[in-house]
Amino acid sequence: QKEVEQDPGPLSVPEGAIVSLNCTYSNSAFQYFMWYRQYSRKGPELLMYTYSSGNKEDGRFTAQVDKSSKYISLFIRDSQPSDSATYLCAMSAGGSYIPTFGRGTSLIVHP
Amino acid sequence: GAVVSQHPSRVICKSGTSVKIECRSLDFQATTMFWYRQFPKQSLMLMATSNEGSKATYEQGVEKDKFLINHASLTLSTLTVTSAHPEDSSFYICSARDSTDGTQHFGDGTRLSIL
Repeated sequence: QKEVEQDPGPLSVPEGAIVSLNCTYSNSAFQYFMWYRQYSRKGPELLMYTYSSGNKEDGRFTAQVDKSSKYISLFIRDSQPSDSATYLCAMSAGGSYIPTFGRGTSLIVHP
Repeated sequence: GAVVSQHPSRVICKSGTSVKIECRSLDFQATTMFWYRQFPKQSLMLMATSNEGSKATYEQGVEKDKFLINHASLTLSTLTVTSAHPEDSSFYICSARDSTDGTQHFGDGTRLSIL
């Protein structure tokens, strides 16, 4: 079993839909959780960064961490075609540790 | 936001050539930088961790004599692919860790094609 599991998709939704992206993990030492967005032929861009359990909201994006279930989510409200990209989750045991990445979920938002 | 500049973005060269890729953190200091390789539809594969002023730490299976890493300053790390062969063709991405909060920021990658 990989340390971080993420469904590669693709996930196809209509414009305006609420998108839910998820990752599960096995290492209970993970404390820091990140979501990155990667457009084709570009490097990943940090979207959300959370510590421990709970929710964090930034505009249309909400990151949710449930450490008891070892499950993290990224919600995108009012999705737009420009949100079409690959979303990678990443997590680490501490700020000085090297993050472990999921393989990414490809999201397609069609007009 | 934090910006990492990676150059060049695209390289096409003949087999046997050595290729140098630069990674710069533009508005923050990065004592640690990372080099990744990414295959199509796959996640990032960490190749090595580069610490300013010291030798890089390579992941298992990555040849340190093949992939030379230098991190001479707090804002610059370089990866040199020596005597590149077609199997080295890939998308190479660097990232820099912001020393103030530990967040990791990525460059836009270098697409390397060896003919």
